[in-house]
Amino acid sequence: DTEVTQTPKHLVMGMTNKKSLKCEQHMGHRAMYWYKQKAKKPPELMFVYSYEKLSINESVPSRFSPECPNSSLLNLHLHALQPEDSALYLCASSPVGGGGEKLFFGSGTQLSVL
Amino acid sequence: GEDVEQSLFLSVREGDSSVINCTYTDSSSTYLYWYKQEPGAGLQLLTYIFSNMDMKQDQRLTVLLNKKDKHLSLRIADTQTGDSAIYFCAEFWMDSSYKLIFGSGTRLLVRP
Repeated sequence: DTEVTQTPKHLVMGMTNKKSLKCEQHMGHRAMYWYKQKAKKPPELMFVYSYEKLSINESVPSRFSPECPNSSLLNLHLHALQPEDSALYLCASSPVGGGGEKLFFGSGTQLSVL
Repeated sequence: GEDVEQSLFLSVREGDSSVINCTYTDSSSTYLYWYKQEPGAGLQLLTYIFSNMDMKQDQRLTVLLNKKDKHLSLRIADTQTGDSAIYFCAEFWMDSSYKLIFGSGTRLLVRP
C-alpha cells in the first residue's frame, strides 16, 4: 500500500462553519505534512509532524488547527475560515531518517469557503 | 534564501523529447525531486537525485544535475499526450528547517 488517502475530496463551507480534513497512510511513515496549494501555484508548506509531534508550523493562522492522533492519521481542523483560504489542501507522508525525504502525496481536498 | 525557479510553459509534439529546466538555491547535502501534477490531482513523485550525482536515468526519464550552475533538468523521451501536466522540481533542505521547497511549476502541453 503506497497510498495517502484524503477525505473529503471536495468541501464547501461557510465562514462560520467548523469542518475537518482527514488524511491516512499505512506505509509506516513517521512524518506527515499539510500543504496548501492555490490555483496555478506551487504547494506551500503549512505543518510538519514527526513521530506524532508538531515539528514545523509555517506561521499558519490559528483558524487552521492540525492534529496527529496516531502515526497513520493526520487531521486539519478548520474554523472561521476566510474566502481567501479556498485552495487545494494536500497531505503528504514520508519515512524519517536516512537523509532526504521522499514525500508521497494524497490527491487533496479542494476547499471552497463561501 | 529559498528560491527554486522554473520556466512556466513548454509545448512539444507527441513523440519528441521534452526538457524541463529548474534552478535551485545552494544548500549542502540536498536531494532534488521531480513531481508531476495532473489537473485536480495530487503530486506524483517521478524521480529524485542526490546532489553528489550528475545523472540519473529511469525508463523514459533522465535527470541531469549541474552543481556548478545549480541547474537541474528533466528529460522525457518519446513524450506522450498522457505526459501533459504540471511538473514541479523541489529541493529538500536538510538544515534545521527540514522541508521541501517547490519550484513554480512548468506546464507541459503535448500536441498530437
